[in-house]
Amino acid sequence: DQQVKQNSPSLSVQEGRISILNCDYTNSMFDYFLWYKKYPAEGPTFLISISSIKDKNEDGRFTVFLNKSAKHLSLHIVPSQPGDSAVYFCAAADTGRRALTFGSGTRLQVQP
Amino acid sequence: ETGVTQTPRHLVMGMTNKKSLKCEQHLGHNAMYWYKQSAKKPLELMFVYNFKEQTENNSVPSRFSPECPNSSHLFLHLHTLQPEDSALYLCASSAPGGAGNEQFFGPGTRLTVL
Repeated sequence: DQQVKQNSPSLSVQEGRISILNCDYTNSMFDYFLWYKKYPAEGPTFLISISSIKDKNEDGRFTVFLNKSAKHLSLHIVPSQPGDSAVYFCAAADTGRRALTFGSGTRLQVQP
Repeated sequence: ETGVTQTPRHLVMGMTNKKSLKCEQHLGHNAMYWYKQSAKKPLELMFVYNFKEQTENNSVPSRFSPECPNSSHLFLHLHTLQPEDSALYLCASSAPGGAGNEQFFGPGTRLTVL
């Protein structure tokens, strides 16, 4: 049973518009959440993270929102750029383990 | 070399072969990880090493045998694999500390088992 779910396998948006990628989790022990971005033929690269004590973290064009009661987080990219086209993975961790639990990814395509 | 490197980048092997995947990190980290990514599936954790000691084995079959001789190197020895083991194998490393420490990934080894 997947503990981290990304229910949208793909998303297409126009350049300059907002991209919203969603992630749901089931394990209440998770207290740290990360987003990774992956280009073809490369490993995932860290994008942004959020601790469970916060509900929002912003870094430039990227903002992650966390709704603990709904066990839901989202990544907002504003404005979206063609270079943002990649697969985005949501990941979660709990302080008892070093390892990350990943979602299955969402492929974002930003159209010029 | 910088970051996390993995060799080979591509590997094709038969079910009776023995091969090894190598990972090296140049970041001064003390934790290293093996993940497996099969087609259309999430990355699955396989093994975790902390200061060269294995701290997690995620019910991985014994045909996968990890080795961590020091904090900078991690190997995955493969023998008598099955075609369903074909996948992208990713290595990662992180600094000591809590679960929130960012993990840095290598580019992966694309393994095909015939």
